[in-house]
Amino acid sequence: NAGVMQNPRHLVRRRGQEARLRCSPMKGHSHVYWYRQLPEEGLKFMVYLQKENIIDESGMPKERFSAEFPKEGPSILRIQQVVRGDSAAYFCASSLRQGWGMEQETQYFGPGTRLLVL
Amino acid sequence: AQKITQTQPGMFVQEKEAVTLDCTYDTSDPSYGLFWYKQPSSGEMIFLIYQGSYDQQNATEGRYSLNFQKARKSANLVISASQLGDSAMYFCAMREGPYQKVTFGTGTKLQVIP
Repeated sequence: NAGVMQNPRHLVRRRGQEARLRCSPMKGHSHVYWYRQLPEEGLKFMVYLQKENIIDESGMPKERFSAEFPKEGPSILRIQQVVRGDSAAYFCASSLRQGWGMEQETQYFGPGTRLLVL
Repeated sequence: AQKITQTQPGMFVQEKEAVTLDCTYDTSDPSYGLFWYKQPSSGEMIFLIYQGSYDQQNATEGRYSLNFQKARKSANLVISASQLGDSAMYFCAMREGPYQKVTFGTGTKLQVIP
């Protein structure tokens, strides 16, 4: 499967637990983006990362949320001490590189992780 | 102000007919990209079509075309010969700025009627 991979597809956590969401970008893509989608809403940008760097985290809540994209391995979105309001679908997307044009810019999405906080 | 506005929460179209989904955008950046994505009930986000701000011609991809009117800041999606499998949520999105942050609209739910 050459597409963006996310796991787990579904995650259930109790309030106060930690949630770890993983994303492997498409082969050859070095730019990763995380979005959150609440029920019946559009996607909200959270963070943009390149390998070992956070480029833009303007959409990340100030507390409890963090993201990384290490040199080796998948990108991780971590939510500490989850609350019911964190229940949502979390999508990861990747793009080839920064620049202009469809090939460079288009973000391809993974299937998402549905987080349910009890 | 909303960056991306989709004014049609829901649309119906008869199978085999064409349908236009509206999208207007707001940006002062001269370089931007516009995208349409489809989200079926299964939940995945599927890329449909792209239009760059400097592209002279309207983008087309199979049955999808983008009616790009730069002066009016609109980027409507036209689906020709609708099929039942086109029933889904459709999101318009815009990339602006140097870091490719993408802003999504609230979506339009399209239902194709047999």
